[in-house]
Amino acid sequence: DGGITQSPKYLFRKEGQNVTLSCEQNLNHDAMYWYRQDPGQGLRLIYYSQIVNDFQKGDIAEGYSVSREKKESFPLTVTSAQKNPTAFYLCASSMSGVQPQHFGDGTRLSIL
Amino acid sequence: QQQVKQSPQSLIVQKGGISIINCAYENTAFDYFPWYQQFPGKGPALLIAIRPDVSEKKEGRFTISFNKSAKQFSLHIMDSQPGDSATYFCAAKRVDTDKLIFGTGTRLQVFP
Repeated sequence: DGGITQSPKYLFRKEGQNVTLSCEQNLNHDAMYWYRQDPGQGLRLIYYSQIVNDFQKGDIAEGYSVSREKKESFPLTVTSAQKNPTAFYLCASSMSGVQPQHFGDGTRLSIL
Repeated sequence: QQQVKQSPQSLIVQKGGISIINCAYENTAFDYFPWYQQFPGKGPALLIAIRPDVSEKKEGRFTISFNKSAKQFSLHIMDSQPGDSATYFCAAKRVDTDKLIFGTGTRLQVFP
């Protein structure tokens, strides 16, 4: 059945290393989003994409990068420039101009 | 920066009681107000949503009350159950975008 798949569920990063979080959806949604969740801070938007080959920065894009080469996929790279990457990362999707957003079950990133 | 302020941060309710979570926003250009429910280790799931042309929406034990003039909206959970124990997020969508702005979350604990 349709949904959003995030992988891996847990990820560990060494200092100075880039890591990529996967997000795949089979809902045929145009728009996809990446959020970061920290305790007591709610969900903050990192990047979003409304169509293939186009994406925009959210509120906290520094230290992150994305690509949108396929409609189904929106991977997020946490670069070494992100100094505080430990968080729970959530991917979401929706039809453009239509709510609600549907979420995956997240990837928890920790620093070794 | 546009904000959605959510309170309380945590809430403890006895089984059968009413849980009330409040949100307030600072910009009038919002046109969609969803509430999400999140269990530990999972992504948020849409619980109920309202548009500003409606003052109240009820789905089962869950009700959203919306006060446009006060720029406030609230979630009421009637007959609260232990299975309702989760974190709840309110959000607001700007008129000119698909982006959601989230509140900081309320951790609800319902004790038998």
